[in-house]
Amino acid sequence: SQQGEEDPQALSIQEGENATMNCSYKTSINNLQWYRQNSGRGLVHLILIRSNEREKHSGRLRVTLDTSKKSSSLLITASRAADTASYFCATDTGNQFYFGTGTSLTVIP
Amino acid sequence: DTAVSQTPKYLVTQMGNDKSIKCEQNLGHDTMYWYKQDSKKFLKIMFSYNNKELIINETVPNRFSPKSPDKAHLNLHINSLELGDSAVYFCASSPGTFRGAQYFGPGTRLLVL
Repeated sequence: SQQGEEDPQALSIQEGENATMNCSYKTSINNLQWYRQNSGRGLVHLILIRSNEREKHSGRLRVTLDTSKKSSSLLITASRAADTASYFCATDTGNQFYFGTGTSLTVIP
Repeated sequence: DTAVSQTPKYLVTQMGNDKSIKCEQNLGHDTMYWYKQDSKKFLKIMFSYNNKELIINETVPNRFSPKSPDKAHLNLHINSLELGDSAVYFCASSPGTFRGAQYFGPGTRLLVL
């Protein structure tokens, strides 16, 4: 069964707008990570948030984690055309590592 | 300098053949991984490996086997290729098992005809 489910599956916004994507998971975790994948490329690590953290920032990225709801969100502020990519959450359960289903983000110039 | 590299980038082969994909990392990481990404972009971990432990995803057919000649290399060998093996295979590495960021290679696009 799928550990991580992301929504929306696809998101299209105008440049300069904020983009929010959500990740829900099923079992307890040690940490949750977000990755970006540009078309035809490998994944790039964006940010890691540990289970005892609630919010983390990195540049234009803000990640929140709610372990009671088993969910996380990734906010990209002031989006740019170069942010167009697929975004995946990934969960470390201690003995397994699962990627979510991904959100495809398109930023229109 | 490429941190995690894979060869070949593209691989087209016939059903029933045996093939290998090579992966090398120059980051000094202890753990390496193989992932399969299907046509719907779903990513599934196949193996994680460090010099102490090989963890195999139980859903991976035993036609797939990782081979590590040293800490910087983890190759993927596939026997008796099937149509359903067509996918993009990614190698990755990390300093420790799962606990930190993983660094991905560019992927190998495998097409089985």
